[in-house]
Amino acid sequence: AQTVTQSQPEMSVQEAETVTLSCTYDTSESDYYLFWYKQPPSRQMILVIRQEAYKQQNATENRFSVNFQKAAKSFSLKISDSQLGDAAMYFCAYVGSGYALNFGKGTSLLVTP
Amino acid sequence: GAGVSQSPRYKVAKRGQDVALRCDPISGHVSLFWYQQALGQGPEFLTYFQNEAQLDKSGLPSDRFFAERPEGSVSTLKIQRTQQEDSAVYLCASSRPGQYYEQYFGPGTRLTVT
Repeated sequence: AQTVTQSQPEMSVQEAETVTLSCTYDTSESDYYLFWYKQPPSRQMILVIRQEAYKQQNATENRFSVNFQKAAKSFSLKISDSQLGDAAMYFCAYVGSGYALNFGKGTSLLVTP
Repeated sequence: GAGVSQSPRYKVAKRGQDVALRCDPISGHVSLFWYQQALGQGPEFLTYFQNEAQLDKSGLPSDRFFAERPEGSVSTLKIQRTQQEDSAVYLCASSRPGQYYEQYFGPGTRLTVT
């Protein structure tokens, strides 16, 4: 079974600053996908960024980028130039040969003015 | 195009009541997933449909939980004789066939059992 661990229950960042959210996972598979999802109070799960394990290049989406370390099974999310609208729960997730997403417990991100 | 829709957004049930939660996936998405998200936790897989076939129901926590998708589009998650531990947000997601890496989520139904 695959497990996803987010060791930071809560993080805080000042507006315009940079923050990094951590995620580690455990798997014996070689081909899989990793995700970061954002869940605001509205509960809508929004895909922030996706990384294919076979790609060595780290994924980037505007202010969001990941640091994917396959050997270390680490997948951190960096948010640059943080905005008030970035405040939300962030979930790291994995899908491999199966089809069900495996989620971590989440990190609550607070953004202060 | 419309996204995944779920109804109701909120449901309060008295313990022992039956509830039905609806999910309307994105048109053309043959794969449909239900997840349960307890307070302060990440979502956990409940069940998976491909068209009308329920291919995996291994995540359903008890035989009080039942899901169906009779015509391969709208799905209903039914919980019989609700218990307090059933209180959670129930999320539905859909994807194109084989594209499990691209699941689109609905807004969820928050179920509170009193």
